[in-house]
Amino acid sequence: VQLLESGGGVVQPGGSLTLSCAASGFSFSSYAMSWVRQTPGKGLEWVSSIGGGGVSTYYADSVKGRFTISRDKSKNTLYLQMNSLRVEDTGIYYCARMNFFYYFDYWGQGILVTVSS
Amino acid sequence: EILMTQSPGTLSVSPGERATLSCRASQSLSSNVAWYQQKPGQAPRLLIYGTSTRATGIPARFSGGGSGTEFTLTISNLQSEDFAVYFCQQYNDWPPWTFGQGTKVEIK
Repeated sequence: VQLLESGGGVVQPGGSLTLSCAASGFSFSSYAMSWVRQTPGKGLEWVSSIGGGGVSTYYADSVKGRFTISRDKSKNTLYLQMNSLRVEDTGIYYCARMNFFYYFDYWGQGILVTVSS
Repeated sequence: EILMTQSPGTLSVSPGERATLSCRASQSLSSNVAWYQQKPGQAPRLLIYGTSTRATGIPARFSGGGSGTEFTLTISNLQSEDFAVYFCQQYNDWPPWTFGQGTKVEIK
């Protein structure tokens, strides 16, 4: 199992960014996937999850209405579209596979997102 | 939302000794608790799921226990590679999935 995030960087408050996570080594469509972030202020924080079929989606209250999770089974890739970014969204964003019992069994190496003026 | 509280924040242990980390949940979780290890500059790694089942490749010196709202991770015979930060996480009632704030195990 390999998960490789990309798309991070520096963005101004109010800006947008899209993260990608390329998955390999497993049947991508069979697993729910998630984004989890790590910030100095709040530690590890679950951000969003999507079911294997891409229909069911879940969001933390802190990002609801601003972030959109999606997946492309033809590309084995998970996405996180982040709009209206805030300073407090700064952190390392991890892509994680969810086991059938819904814990996180594999994690990517993480990608840094910095929201700053 | 289920709040996960870990203690202590930092645990100072000598190599070869045992470390016991605690995690308390704000409501009963059945056995749906996982533990992760994180080393500096690395992603978290799954150690334990279902309260007490070791993930693939995890050494037997790592053991998990507990029930209801009180859970523990015990590391016996601490090795140099075990000094890291450990997080508990609940997956009993979601969303949201929630994590503890972490316990750092450092060399005494």
